[in-house]
Amino acid sequence: QLQLQQSGPGLVKPSETLSLTCTVSGDSINSNSYYWGWVRQAPGKGLEWIGSIFYSGSTYYNPSLKSRVSISVDTSKNQFSLKLSSVTAADAALYFCATRGYLTGRLAHWGQGTLVTVSS
Amino acid sequence: QSVLTQPPSVSAAPGQKVTISCSGTSSNIGNNYVSWYQHLPGTAPKLLIYDNNMRPSGIPDRFSGSKSGTSATLGIAGLQTGDEADYYCGTWDNSLSAGVIFGGGTKLTVL
Repeated sequence: QLQLQQSGPGLVKPSETLSLTCTVSGDSINSNSYYWGWVRQAPGKGLEWIGSIFYSGSTYYNPSLKSRVSISVDTSKNQFSLKLSSVTAADAALYFCATRGYLTGRLAHWGQGTLVTVSS
Repeated sequence: QSVLTQPPSVSAAPGQKVTISCSGTSSNIGNNYVSWYQHLPGTAPKLLIYDNNMRPSGIPDRFSGSKSGTSATLGIAGLQTGDEADYYCGTWDNSLSAGVIFGGGTKLTVL
């Protein structure tokens, strides 16, 4: 049973970089069945896809965030990570890691969520 | 504004059936699989329907999905108070095949 466990700070200062990590258990991050991705929900808003990475290292980002987003994989730790630079109050949200099916697009597995506050 | 259009809210009484629509275009829903998610505040979304009409194991058959052209529909029969949640449709666009696009979400109220 694939499971995702998120870690990372819940408080980030304005203009700094948000960093979150998602540890995969129950499957290998080298699996070609999934894209490993991030989704967020700002207060009072809907779900927003941030970006995804394939085990090969290929990345795919939401065009609205592309200039500030970086997603990477650490195969030695079976983890993938999100970095979002130059954060503002608009980036305050509940962040989730998730698996995106390679062929079907379904987000079948989710992390527990990390509430990120942007404040000095 | 979301690429996929959902009604902001729907409501029905316990035991009744409700449907939630999701409208897109030929570059997203029209040519790709649709999924549906149930989201309770502060928790991780749960996959209810994938590949337009398939249920993951453990999802009761009260939940159903369908797709026709550039629109998809989630049906929930035998409504229970525990079904009160936000529901999102999701798919991807041909311009970014590895991406995900969501509808704006629909708040279900069980009266």
